Amino acid sequence: KAGVTQTPRYLIKTRGQQVTLSCSPISGHRSVSWYQQTPGQGLQFLFEYFSETQRNKGNFPGRFSGRQFSNSRSEMNVSTLELGDSALYLCASSLARSNGLLSYEQYFGPGTRLTVT
Amino acid sequence: DAKTTQPNSMESNEEEPVHLPCNHSTISGTDYIHWYRQLPSQGPEYVIHGLTSNVNNRMASLAIAEDRKSSTLILHRATLRDAAVYYCILDAYSGAGSYQLTFGKGTKLSVIP
Repeated sequence: KAGVTQTPRYLIKTRGQQVTLSCSPISGHRSVSWYQQTPGQGLQFLFEYFSETQRNKGNFPGRFSGRQFSNSRSEMNVSTLELGDSALYLCASSLARSNGLLSYEQYFGPGTRLTVT
Repeated sequence: DAKTTQPNSMESNEEEPVHLPCNHSTISGTDYIHWYRQLPSQGPEYVIHGLTSNVNNRMASLAIAEDRKSSTLILHRATLRDAAVYYCILDAYSGAGSYQLTFGKGTKLSVIP
């Protein structure tokens, strides 16, 4: 089956603009997570969505937001872009836990490379 | 947050086994141990995960210490394609079924032909 897809793959924006990134999870996966990867901070968790609800959020400012649609596709938005937002943004999808003791692998997309100038 | 400790880098000769160690002394009873790897210019790729017992799959084996404070990812025959950054992560259940993987800096594995 098809993997996680992310669009666009590359993006160049100017400081102060806003950007929307899109993620299509693997069919049947209802959990979608977003991560930011930079050389300095590594991979950092942004937020996780399940059934159109944000269930978990990392330590990022309110300029970073997201949403999930009924078909599990997800978007993340960054408003008022700053130079430090330049990063690789990764989306990951997973099966939903059926109880608190089960853990499933996450499948990552190729990422969107955002450059802010 | 539950944390893991890994060596910054390791080297292996091609076609030899590789043992990648990870310490997680603050692991909780319900935390799963996950390993992911990231090849250059790609998103992370799932390798293996386990809770208490050793696990095998087509990619690797995971050996978990009896006290669960450490684990070892074993690649049975390293190939050039295995050169990547390997992350050991604890999947700490935070309630309500949500996921939040906390990535450390990982171990950069170099494979020598």
